[in-house]
Amino acid sequence: GENVEQHPSTLSVQEGDSAVIKCTYSDSASNYFPWYKQELGKRPQLIIDIRSNVGEKKDQRIAVTLNKTAKHFSLHITETQPEDSAVYFCAASGGGSARQLTFGSGTQLTVLP
Amino acid sequence: DGGITQSPKYLFRKEGQNVTLSCEQNLNHDAMYWYRQDPGQGLRLIYYSQIVNDFQKGDIAEGYSVSREKKESFPLTVTSAQKNPTAFYLCASSWGLNNGELFFGEGSRLTVL
Repeated sequence: GENVEQHPSTLSVQEGDSAVIKCTYSDSASNYFPWYKQELGKRPQLIIDIRSNVGEKKDQRIAVTLNKTAKHFSLHITETQPEDSAVYFCAASGGGSARQLTFGSGTQLTVLP
Repeated sequence: DGGITQSPKYLFRKEGQNVTLSCEQNLNHDAMYWYRQDPGQGLRLIYYSQIVNDFQKGDIAEGYSVSREKKESFPLTVTSAQKNPTAFYLCASSWGLNNGELFFGEGSRLTVL
């Protein structure tokens, strides 16, 4: 089955700096890669996703890049703000199926004022 | 106000007791899921249901049971057979199994004393 590894497990950055979280996956058939954000005490929410026919996707300060050859994908947050502090989860699935989503172990991002 | 509601938010139980966690959604979603979240382990799928009166085991179904008698409801029972039940449980829904975006509830934290 799919195995998703996520690094780092914790990340601290100064406000205004960029943050990068990386994930690798094992199943070359995976073609859907979402990122979820979970603020303290709140539910996880989808912040961005990418499909395998695209190499990069941006949404304001957030971007995701995908390297299918190397089987890794990354979340990039620019101009970080205190409200970006949260746990971020990457995931991978084949066929875009929620049933087949395999999650990474999460990254605790802390943005220091 | 559309959404997915879990109850109770916190629950304590003694060893050997079964406990049922409630999950209700008014998003008209067909698919519903139960995940378990443990520190440093991401989200792991317990059970999922694509339609009413049908459900399937996920990756860690042992010691759990579910029912799907109504489209809106997908309760999870943590039985006494679950060896390590203390965890944070998240319910989610989506338009279908092949639509990757998950909408999560706020979670239920179960502590076994």
